[in-house]
Amino acid sequence: QKEVEQNSGPLSVPEGAIASLNCTYSDRGSQSFFWYRQYSGKSPELIMSIYSNGDKEDGRFTAQLNKASQYVSLLIRDSQPSDSATYLCAVSRNFNKFYFGSGTKLNVKP
Amino acid sequence: GAVVSQHPSWVICKSGTSVKIECRSLDFQATTMFWYRQFPKQSLMLMATSNEGSKATYEQGVEKDKFLINHASLTLSTLTVTSAHPEDSSFYICSARDSGEGTDTQYFGPGTRLTVL
Repeated sequence: QKEVEQNSGPLSVPEGAIASLNCTYSDRGSQSFFWYRQYSGKSPELIMSIYSNGDKEDGRFTAQLNKASQYVSLLIRDSQPSDSATYLCAVSRNFNKFYFGSGTKLNVKP
Repeated sequence: GAVVSQHPSWVICKSGTSVKIECRSLDFQATTMFWYRQFPKQSLMLMATSNEGSKATYEQGVEKDKFLINHASLTLSTLTVTSAHPEDSSFYICSARDSGEGTDTQYFGPGTRLTVL
């Protein structure tokens, strides 16, 4: 079983719609959760971090964490073609090691 | 967010030569840095964790004598690919842990694309 699981996609949404990206993790002791965006040929860029149950909003992005269900999600409102990228979920127990999912490819169609 | 730089951004070398990649945290001190490798259309693969002043911890299957890591200061870690071969051609990305006041996050450098001929 992988530490972090993501649907590889591609997830296709029309411009202006809400994109919903999901991630599950296996280590119940995980404390920190991150979403990174990676454009093709580029390195990952941090979008959101979340540490406690519930929602965390930053602009068009909302991260949702449910530790009981071991589930993290990222919602992107008013999706734009520039949001088309691969989104990586990362999980850490103690910041000494981060586990990454394989990423979900998002396509936002104009 | 915090800034991490890598140098060079790309390098082409002949088989058998060694290549050094530098990773710097520009506006914070990083006691821990990570080195990843990513092949085309594949996910990030953690190679090793580098802690300032101590030996790096390598992931299973990563040859420590081939991928030499040095974390000499709180802002600099280096990865040396020794006796590089074409199969070492990949995108190498470092990241640095920013554990300053109110934060504890990992930031990535822009990556180094290595091509071994």
